[in-house]
Amino acid sequence: EPEVTQTPSHQVTQMGQEVILRCVPISNHLYFYWYRQILGQKVEFLVSFYNNEISEKSEIFDDQFSVERPDGSNFTLKIRSTKLEDSAMYFCASSAGLRGAGGNTEAFFGQGTRLTVV
Amino acid sequence: ILNVEQSPQSLHVQEGDSTNFTCSFPSSNFYALHWYRWETAKSPEALFVMTLNGDEKKKGRISATLNTKEGYSYLYIKGSQPEDSATYLCAFIGTGGFKTIFGAGTRLFVKA
Repeated sequence: EPEVTQTPSHQVTQMGQEVILRCVPISNHLYFYWYRQILGQKVEFLVSFYNNEISEKSEIFDDQFSVERPDGSNFTLKIRSTKLEDSAMYFCASSAGLRGAGGNTEAFFGQGTRLTVV
Repeated sequence: ILNVEQSPQSLHVQEGDSTNFTCSFPSSNFYALHWYRWETAKSPEALFVMTLNGDEKKKGRISATLNTKEGYSYLYIKGSQPEDSATYLCAFIGTGGFKTIFGAGTRLFVKA
């Protein structure tokens, strides 16, 4: 069964460093998303990506963050100059969006990358 | 500020009990509501995608209803089993179909 895969499963980084979280969405999916969950808090939407550009982003997704689909299969989230409060579980998801948008088709989630900023 | 509320926060039931929980969401700019089942150490798994007011969907012993005019959805589990133990998340998707607002989840514990 096709699945979304994320690497690494756990990343520890020093404050101020840049990290890149990697995701391989399901191959025929067109819509890609990043979410995060800070420990003990709700899952939060970060960004959606379609047709090689950001389609929507939340207030959290500021200039510190960027996304890229460098090679047609990977979907990456880059966090520049990490802060302690960036420590969270980051989830990637993808959907087929058969009816023209990601909202009315189910999203498939990866298992997440736990980012710890020290 | 758009908010999605789920209640109860947690629920303990006995095997065989039927149970239900609620997701409340903004009644304006509605596009879709998703329900996910999330087991510890796994990724959230989509249960239902609901788009139309009055929608009722069913998957085995689990079903869901949707009322977009008043802004709520119910998830029902009939005859709970220990393997139903998980966190059930709802997610509101506003007009445009991309930005998603999650509830905090209902944590279900089913005791054998």
